[in-house]
Amino acid sequence: QSALTQPASVSGSPGQSITISCTGTSSDVGGYNYVFWYQQHPGKAPELMIYDVKNRPSGVSNRFSGSKSGNTASLTISGLQAEDEADYFCSSYTVSNTVIFGGGTKLTVL
Amino acid sequence: EVQLVESGGGLVQPGGPLRLSCVGSGFTFSSYAMNWVRQAPGKGLEWVAAISSLSDGTYYAGSVKGRFTISRDNSKSTLYLQTNSLRDEDTAKYYCVIARVPGGYFYYGMAVWGQGTTVTVAS
Repeated sequence: QSALTQPASVSGSPGQSITISCTGTSSDVGGYNYVFWYQQHPGKAPELMIYDVKNRPSGVSNRFSGSKSGNTASLTISGLQAEDEADYFCSSYTVSNTVIFGGGTKLTVL
Repeated sequence: EVQLVESGGGLVQPGGPLRLSCVGSGFTFSSYAMNWVRQAPGKGLEWVAAISSLSDGTYYAGSVKGRFTISRDNSKSTLYLQTNSLRDEDTAKYYCVIARVPGGYFYYGMAVWGQGTTVTVAS
């Protein structure tokens, strides 16, 4: 099964908003609300930022929000801050009873 | 504090075996499904395998099915990944990850990640 499709990179200035897309199929993103977003800073382990499409774990800033339409999920970060610069990965449960990740998006804060 | 400490990584020849371990602390290990996720150097994340809290269900990515075996010993709060018939493309950092919900399925999200152990397959 191919990885979910994410843009390789996005960028934005401090204070702006950016959106990262994650496109799958009806067998994964489109078929389930088990869509997640992870943030990974260089040399660090990933951190869960969004679960079940749109929910934030305790401690995650409300500047992070998630949504889904059809086979595409999205992560929006508002009020960009320098500390948001990182790699972001989406993931989804699949019809094959497995988990699949996106290829990752490098966010640059200009 | 919840902690996961992986070990067992190293340099192994193609075709060889390696057993990874992950010791959990600071939480009720036996209540959570667990996952292994890997990341090749400079690449993205790849889910490898998962196991239910009581070992009654195991799940594998197609790329490792038949070669890797996930298991756990709840009495030792330890998760294992037995890797066999290793290939160059198995070279990666392997993370041990706790599922998000106690008593829930492995696919409910990955809440806490270890720091990883590195496996290098090369002759």
